[in-house]
Amino acid sequence: DTGVSQDPRHKITKRGQNVTFRCDPISEHNRLYWYRQTLGQGPEFLTYFQNEAQLEKSRLLSDRFSAERPKGSFSTLEIQRTEQGDSAMYLCASSLPPGGGTGELFFGEGSRLTVL
Amino acid sequence: QKEVEQDPGPLSVPEGAIVSLNCTYSNSAFQYFMWYRQYSRKGPELLMYTYSSGNKEDGRFTAQVDKSSKYISLFIRDSQPSDSATYLCAIGGSNNDMRFGAGTRLTVKP
Repeated sequence: DTGVSQDPRHKITKRGQNVTFRCDPISEHNRLYWYRQTLGQGPEFLTYFQNEAQLEKSRLLSDRFSAERPKGSFSTLEIQRTEQGDSAMYLCASSLPPGGGTGELFFGEGSRLTVL
Repeated sequence: QKEVEQDPGPLSVPEGAIVSLNCTYSNSAFQYFMWYRQYSRKGPELLMYTYSSGNKEDGRFTAQVDKSSKYISLFIRDSQPSDSATYLCAIGGSNNDMRFGAGTRLTVKP
């Protein structure tokens, strides 16, 4: 396992379509995070999981967004009825919990979404 | 007020210069302080992390934290063209809920 992997790397879709992104974290990391990053901005927190439990969701995560981590391993982020404002890079990160490590986040390469 | 404010860029320096990158934060409960480097169209990669006030050095990089002022800095000595990237400060609490600055884009010219 060489790091966090995300798929697809780039998705182009038409407004109103649904899209799903997948993240495979580093295998021994039980925390998994989703961030969104737009051009010229830092990553914005969306949600995070500890194992299969979703512990926090940002108010940025509207009803059209849903994230799952059913078996505490990989995670999916689905966006329903996409809007042009959803165009961004969606970053996944994983970590050990603060007590089990230094808490640093290890990021994937991101999934870039373009909504036409 | 944003939870984390980062000095805006872009910043352009000649090779060999000392670079100073700065962030302030508002929540005194934050206890994890990190700097990430992000190359174009890539995910951020961890550069430095620290938990306490003071300095931490790693090669040409020094991270400085002043909790009393809620201020963190990253210094790069003898900057190289390969240091050209966007630098993100990240600050978090006990829940590992990291908050990122907007990033400072650095260009080191040969």
